[in-house]
Amino acid sequence: GIQVEQSPPDLILQEGANSTLRCNFSDSVNNLQWFHQNPWGQLINLFYIPSGTKQNGRLSATTVATERYSLLYISSSQTTDSGVYFCACYSSASKIIFGSGTRLSIRP
Amino acid sequence: NAGVTQTPKFQVLKTGQSMTLQCAQDMNHEYMSWYRQDPGMGLRLIHYSVGAGITDQGEVPNGYNVSRSTTEDFPLRLLSAAPSQTSVYFCASSRLLAGGPYNEQFFGPGTRLTVL
Repeated sequence: GIQVEQSPPDLILQEGANSTLRCNFSDSVNNLQWFHQNPWGQLINLFYIPSGTKQNGRLSATTVATERYSLLYISSSQTTDSGVYFCACYSSASKIIFGSGTRLSIRP
Repeated sequence: NAGVTQTPKFQVLKTGQSMTLQCAQDMNHEYMSWYRQDPGMGLRLIHYSVGAGITDQGEVPNGYNVSRSTTEDFPLRLLSAAPSQTSVYFCASSRLLAGGPYNEQFFGPGTRLTVL
């Protein structure tokens, strides 16, 4: 089935810094979604982005389906951005597969 | 809208006991699913449903049963709990769109299960 790899596994930044999180997938996907899991365990939708670019405030995401990767950009990071960021890919063969996540820690 | 609700929030079982984790959504979503999340890992799909009366297996279905008698409810049953089933369980729902079996997923708050 499809393999989903996220990098880096851990990222520590100072408040105000920018970051780029990457999601690579091994096969073509029908859908791709980015989630944020906050320190209390709650999973929050960020982007539904099988292709193209989307922006929502300080966050934006780009998926290049032909090259099998997606990027999540966080600008001017805040302590509330801390948590784990997951990408999840869906293909008809493999159903939905989550990456192992990037743990982001924003220091004040 | 309450969104996706799960009960209980916490549960401790002994090996061999059975129980049902409840999941309900009030968004009239066709697609519902159950995941487990083990420490330091992403979510893994257990079972899913594309509508009332229709269920299918995900990546890790062994030891779990599901049914979908209504659009709103999607309970997950542990038949004979084992310590390997200690995990956090998330239920999710989404619409079904043409061209893809799921759209944005909305997650419940999770159930933390410990099997002794």
